[in-house]
Amino acid sequence: GQQLNQSPQSMFIQEGEDVSMNCTSSSIFNTWLWYKQDPGEGPVLLIALYKAGELTSNGRLTAQFGITRKDSFLNISASIPSDVGIYFCAGLNYGGSQGNLIFGKGTKLSVKP
Amino acid sequence: KAGVTQTPRYLIKTRGQQVTLSCSPISGHRSVSWYQQTPGQGLQFLFEYFSETQRNKGNFPGRFSGRQFSNSRSEMNVSTLELGDSALYLCASSLGGLRGQGANTGELFFGEGSRLTVL
Repeated sequence: GQQLNQSPQSMFIQEGEDVSMNCTSSSIFNTWLWYKQDPGEGPVLLIALYKAGELTSNGRLTAQFGITRKDSFLNISASIPSDVGIYFCAGLNYGGSQGNLIFGKGTKLSVKP
Repeated sequence: KAGVTQTPRYLIKTRGQQVTLSCSPISGHRSVSWYQQTPGQGLQFLFEYFSETQRNKGNFPGRFSGRQFSNSRSEMNVSTLELGDSALYLCASSLGGLRGQGANTGELFFGEGSRLTVL
């Protein structure tokens, strides 16, 4: 079945540093989404990408929809302690009458103050 | 506006029992989808309901079922529970759902989840 490879699995960074994470797949997706999950809560949508090559920002977050439609990356600039959490990418593929949302395994971000 | 509400938040069952989880979506959202989250498998899509009809389904056995009511509230049921069903079950509501293109598609608003432990 379809799978998303998300990397890195975890990161330890100093406050103020920039962060990069990405997702790749052997399959094409129509939509890429990035979510963040804090402990004890459900994931929260950060950025949605709908077009190949699209680059979208949300504050200090920037995400891109890969031109091949098989990958996406998320950058966080000038990280702060509240950026701690698990970041998930998700790819949506709809064909015919079915929509299939696949999640990556997550990148756990830890920030040292 | 009120967010997505899931009940119960925690529950413990034994093998062979069945369980029903409830989800109330954001007002105005007609799409409700369900996900299973485990440390090993991550987030996996179970199914999506839209206007009381199941229109997308993930790769789970028939023991996992759901339904949606006319007020968009949704329930999922797991019968004949197995140890491997222990997980966080997340519900998400959406304006655009998981089908179609463009804005709102795939934009999910998650509840806090129902944590199921099967003994």
